[in-house]
Amino acid sequence: EAGVAQSPRYKIIEKRQSVAFWCNPISGHATLYWYQQILGQGPKLLIQFQNNGVVDDSQLPKDRFSAERLKGVDSTLKIQPAKLEDSAVYLCASTTVLSYNEQFFGPGTRLTVL
Amino acid sequence: GIQVEQSPPDLILQEGANSTLRCNFSDSVNNLQWFHQNPWGQLINLFYIPSGTKQNGRLSATTVATERYSLLYISSSQTTDSGVYFCAVPYIQGAQKLVFGQGTRLTINP
Repeated sequence: EAGVAQSPRYKIIEKRQSVAFWCNPISGHATLYWYQQILGQGPKLLIQFQNNGVVDDSQLPKDRFSAERLKGVDSTLKIQPAKLEDSAVYLCASTTVLSYNEQFFGPGTRLTVL
Repeated sequence: GIQVEQSPPDLILQEGANSTLRCNFSDSVNNLQWFHQNPWGQLINLFYIPSGTKQNGRLSATTVATERYSLLYISSSQTTDSGVYFCAVPYIQGAQKLVFGQGTRLTINP
């Protein structure tokens, strides 16, 4: 069974530029999460989707971050415009009730904002 | 929301040693996961253990939900065990959103 796929793996941009990350969850997983992990900290949830609907986006900085999961499968997370403090690893995870909501993570995208 | 504390923050051991990592949480949980984050940043699932004890090779985990803690045991450590170990629990009872501890950084020296 293929795991969670993410791309790109690394991205370096200048502040005020925009960037997008892509995630493809494990096949059949209805729930998809985006986490932000700042160096030295644990991951923090940005947004949770159930199929193509948003369940929780309370910690998403909506003035600059947006995410979509239009067909209920893969998802994109966008930052526009980026700030220095957005430098982090962006992790995507997915889960299904059939696995008792155990979350499985992709390899992450490491973003550096200069 | 729930608070998660991990200890120790850092642990340095020689190859072959045993270690115990602790995760304390502030409220009842029905879900707890242990992860290993390798040097490339990948979060690898170790255990899904809301209660009881599980073993997988040299690793085992015990969660005592009534006392709000979980322990991860690593025996006969290898250099490949190095990395950061995280525990994570649901933000509130019944939720899927996970709250992570700050992690324990384990370094195994040859």
